[in-house]
Amino acid sequence: GAVVSQHPSWVICKSGTSVKIECRSLDFQATTMFWYRQFPKQSLMLMATSNEGSKATYEQGVEKDKFLINHASLTLSTLTVTSAHPEDSSFYICSATTGTATNEQFFGPGTRLTVL
Amino acid sequence: GESVGLHLPTLSVQEGDNSIINCAYSNSASDYFIWYKQESGKGPQFIIDIRSNMDKRQGQRVTVLLNKTVKHLSLQIAATQPGDSAVYFCAENFGNEKLTFGTGTRLTIIP
Repeated sequence: GAVVSQHPSWVICKSGTSVKIECRSLDFQATTMFWYRQFPKQSLMLMATSNEGSKATYEQGVEKDKFLINHASLTLSTLTVTSAHPEDSSFYICSATTGTATNEQFFGPGTRLTVL
Repeated sequence: GESVGLHLPTLSVQEGDNSIINCAYSNSASDYFIWYKQESGKGPQFIIDIRSNMDKRQGQRVTVLLNKTVKHLSLQIAATQPGDSAVYFCAENFGNEKLTFGTGTRLTIIP
């Protein structure tokens, strides 16, 4: 149980275009989803926290107008990278929690974004 | 600001030996700690966790030790196998759902 999927697993796009990444909790309802970014050989950096039906909370330094997050249901959150540039190339990972006392986060497999 | 860091960025261990990965944290208010394993091109995989009211927790071949006095966390992997080769991250939680990840240690198991 507690499986999180992401789609696509990798994407290559041209500079200036927008890319949407989906994060789904497959067998549970996720009260909260998180989006992380990971550059090569670096750690995971939290970008934003997303609760179903409300606006996402962005971490300091993350542009909310560039990284649009929509959490329309308890099983789906999307991250849209708008007007992507090569410096946005990274590994984007989502996670989800069930809202239980353990606060355990279940991570997706990640999406590799390459902007040409 | 608060940070979670690791002492060793890389670690090589002979197959079958035990390995110890260390982590230092700076926020004394952290009450929940987790170790994750990340293989290349994949998302983090939960290994083991520990709450601040404990100082040791054991799983299958893994043990996490927490020393709150010196704000130190360690992950011990017994009888290492080639499949243990990965990057290991510690993460801390401050009482809410947000996690702060450490810098990571790359563990390489030598056959």
